[in-house]
Amino acid sequence: DTEVTQTPKHLVMGMTNKKSLKCEQHMGHRAMYWYKQKAKKPPELMFVYSYEKLSINESVPSRFSPECPNSSLLNLHLHALQPEDSALYLCASSQPTGGTYEQYFGPGTRLTVT
Amino acid sequence: AQSVTQLDSQVPVFEEAPVELRCNYSSSVSVYLFWYVQYPNQGLQLLLKYLSGSTLVESINGFEAEFNKSQTSFHLRKPSVHISDTAEYFCAAEGSQGNLIFGKGTKLSVKP
Repeated sequence: DTEVTQTPKHLVMGMTNKKSLKCEQHMGHRAMYWYKQKAKKPPELMFVYSYEKLSINESVPSRFSPECPNSSLLNLHLHALQPEDSALYLCASSQPTGGTYEQYFGPGTRLTVT
Repeated sequence: AQSVTQLDSQVPVFEEAPVELRCNYSSSVSVYLFWYVQYPNQGLQLLLKYLSGSTLVESINGFEAEFNKSQTSFHLRKPSVHISDTAEYFCAAEGSQGNLIFGKGTKLSVKP
């Protein structure tokens, strides 16, 4: 099983809402990533978890809160987002961090903030 | 600064024609290099990677890329493209933190 799943596929939320994005992998990978991708742009790294510990936070605003409950799950909690946060949010995993290990990407959650 | 440059934002080509998508990397990144493909409304899929060894790497669907250290390039080529190759292609390199540094992407449009 080389699949990374993400739910939901689409999400529309208001600026006062609280919502969560979920990512799951069962490949035994010990590194998991959140990326943000705007239209016609490359993915931008947001967070990296290595062995369930946050290892990289790319100066992401606190309205985005990641959580790694176990080695298979990665959540992204959203609160008080802005319209400019509308984007495709991609999750990825690898074994563990490091370029020699391929990152497997999920299909993404398309988020629209109204 | 660590960077990956894709010189062409769009490459239109006719079906069955050859194509080359260009990628250059800064000497400050590692020489672990990747090409990812993104079809519309989908995530990224690894197309091929260079870690070490032979400078020519191939994918299962006919793409190949050549690592050229002297020119700091990792161009992607295919001798004959299909309509189904229409997608966004991202070149990437490993950054100092084990993350991926992406180029801005090249949209390949294959026309009949």
